[in-house]
Amino acid sequence: GAVVSQHPSWVICKSGTSVKIECRSLDFQATTMFWYRQFPKQSLMLMATSNEGSKATYEQGVEKDKFLINHASLTLSTLTVTSAHPEDSSFYICSAKVAGKETQYFGPGTRLLVL
Amino acid sequence: KNEVEQSPQNLTAQEGEFITINCSYSVGISALHWLQQHPGGGIVSLFMLSSGKKKHGRLIATINIQEKHSSLHITASHPRDSAVYICAVPPMKTSYDKVIFGPGTSLSVIP
Repeated sequence: GAVVSQHPSWVICKSGTSVKIECRSLDFQATTMFWYRQFPKQSLMLMATSNEGSKATYEQGVEKDKFLINHASLTLSTLTVTSAHPEDSSFYICSAKVAGKETQYFGPGTRLLVL
Repeated sequence: KNEVEQSPQNLTAQEGEFITINCSYSVGISALHWLQQHPGGGIVSLFMLSSGKKKHGRLIATINIQEKHSSLHITASHPRDSAVYICAVPPMKTSYDKVIFGPGTSLSVIP
């Protein structure tokens, strides 16, 4: 089956630093990738949708200058949390899908802790 | 009212019990996903269904599009089934890709 990986799985950083999270589709070409955020005991919230080769579409309330998304190839999307603050500490999950297909394949998630 | 609701919110069961988790939604959809999120956070897609019933091992998912309701059943539950089960729907009127997630049902199966 289709596999999506994320790296790193865990990251701890100091406040003010930037953190990059990678999302890769390992055995398929993902025309669309999604980035979600999940706070403890809450549901997943869509942050942005990115299509390969074009700018990401951000959901309302998500700062595009703070959460930089790059989808440079059909197998890789990156989310960079710039100038991270403790309130950015969360579980970040990506998913990927192929154009015309309904199923989304989820990555294992990246847990970010900002001190 | 949330667009996707689940019940129960929390569920504790004895090993071997038959478990049902319900999902109701208020938006028009073309398909519904059932996801499983383990304590470590990783998410696994269990089912994607648009009508009728699907079965995979001990898991059965049903959907009634007219009633806007879906159920996830687990037969002969096992402690390894302990996880959060989430139903998710991509609404038809907006971008198909924007999935709306239910709040999740936290299941704990006790040996």
